[in-house]
Amino acid sequence: QQKVQQSPESLSVPEGGMASLNCTSSDRNFQYFWWYRQHSGEGPKALMSIFSDGDKKEGRFTAHLNKASLHVSLHIRDSQPSDSALYFCAANTGANTGKLTFGHGTILRVHP
Amino acid sequence: AQTIHQWPVAEIKAVGSPLSLGCTIKGKSSPNLYWYWQATGGTLQQLFYSITVGQVESVVQLNLSASRPKDDQFILSTEKLLLSHSGFYLCAWSLVLGSNTGQLYFGEGSKLTVL
Repeated sequence: QQKVQQSPESLSVPEGGMASLNCTSSDRNFQYFWWYRQHSGEGPKALMSIFSDGDKKEGRFTAHLNKASLHVSLHIRDSQPSDSALYFCAANTGANTGKLTFGHGTILRVHP
Repeated sequence: AQTIHQWPVAEIKAVGSPLSLGCTIKGKSSPNLYWYWQATGGTLQQLFYSITVGQVESVVQLNLSASRPKDDQFILSTEKLLLSHSGFYLCAWSLVLGSNTGQLYFGEGSKLTVL
């Protein structure tokens, strides 16, 4: 069973719209959650992290974590065509192996 | 500034042939190093990690091996490629102290096609 599950698999939003991505974990050992973004043909880049319950806002991006339900979400407001990419949710237990468990990703397409 | 360079950018290889992919990190001393594999458009699977020269831990068995001959170099290899080895190989590094929280810095990847 995939320990980090993402939904939806793909998402299309108009330019300027709000994109909402979801992630649920099945492992209560996960303590640290990340969102990574990967543009086609490139390596993933860390977008933002969230370690505590509640919201974390960085510019147009807001992450939300509910540790009780092991649910993480990412909201992108004022979406731009350059936001079109594959978004991964990733989780880490805190052990010093750097082992991030990634979800299968959500493909976001922002159309003009 | 830290830079991570992977080579080659892309390879087309025959089943049964050998493979060597490389990764070099500049500007960071004694980083943790990782190899990840990604099927086209798919999730990222960690293959190996290394916390010091000469020491490599295997995470999954995929008939691949990895070595860290220098502090700033990580090599992924196999003597006999399988069709299932096709995909995108990503090298990544992390700060030692940050490796327990999950901040990874990925290279641009090497695309492997096995025919």
